[in-house]
Amino acid sequence: TQLLEQSPQFLSIQEGENLTVYCNSSSVFSSLQWYRQEPGEGPVLLVTVVTGGEVKKLKRLTFQFGDARKDSSLHITAAQPGDTGLYLCAGARAGTYKYIFGTGTRLKVLA
Amino acid sequence: GAGVSQTPSNKVTEKGKYVELRCDPISGHTALYWYRQSLGQGPEFLIYFQGTGAADDSGLPNDRFFAVRPEGSVSTLKIQRTERGDSAVYLCASSWSGESGRETQYFGPGTRLLVL
Repeated sequence: TQLLEQSPQFLSIQEGENLTVYCNSSSVFSSLQWYRQEPGEGPVLLVTVVTGGEVKKLKRLTFQFGDARKDSSLHITAAQPGDTGLYLCAGARAGTYKYIFGTGTRLKVLA
Repeated sequence: GAGVSQTPSNKVTEKGKYVELRCDPISGHTALYWYRQSLGQGPEFLIYFQGTGAADDSGLPNDRFFAVRPEGSVSTLKIQRTERGDSAVYLCASSWSGESGRETQYFGPGTRLLVL
């Protein structure tokens, strides 16, 4: 059972466009992480957010944790072909160290 | 190497056979996680080790799956009587202590298991 739903599932855009990926749950998480995974490799951590309403920026990527810590978003500005990959959110619930991964968003940026 | 390594990288077996998948975590990391990732899905939690002990094995799907980490470093995931539905990529990750729920997990490249 996936407790974290991501949308959209697939996204194909042109280089230079902006996009937002959403990660939603009915559960509260003590922290939420975003990963990017490329074919044949394991996921690589992009960011961890822990405070409701927190916004973090990583170059052209902006991550936001919802006020109630149930949802998060990833916004990419001026997407580049190098941004292509599978984007995963993962949440850890309070009192556990088990990470629950989202369903994933597969992004393709066309040159 | 400094990263998490997993062996074998690919494993093809027949239904009913026994397989072992190995994970070498980053040296010094006390927390180790196993996940299973099916095609087009996010990783699914299987088990979490803190040192030598399994702190949370709630993700193991049934008693055919078992994992050990006898010396608090290398871990082996064991699958008995494999079924076609076990086919997936098995990912291993390690982190420094696993005690905050906020640490960076470093993932290995995975073992691709195909059960014929």
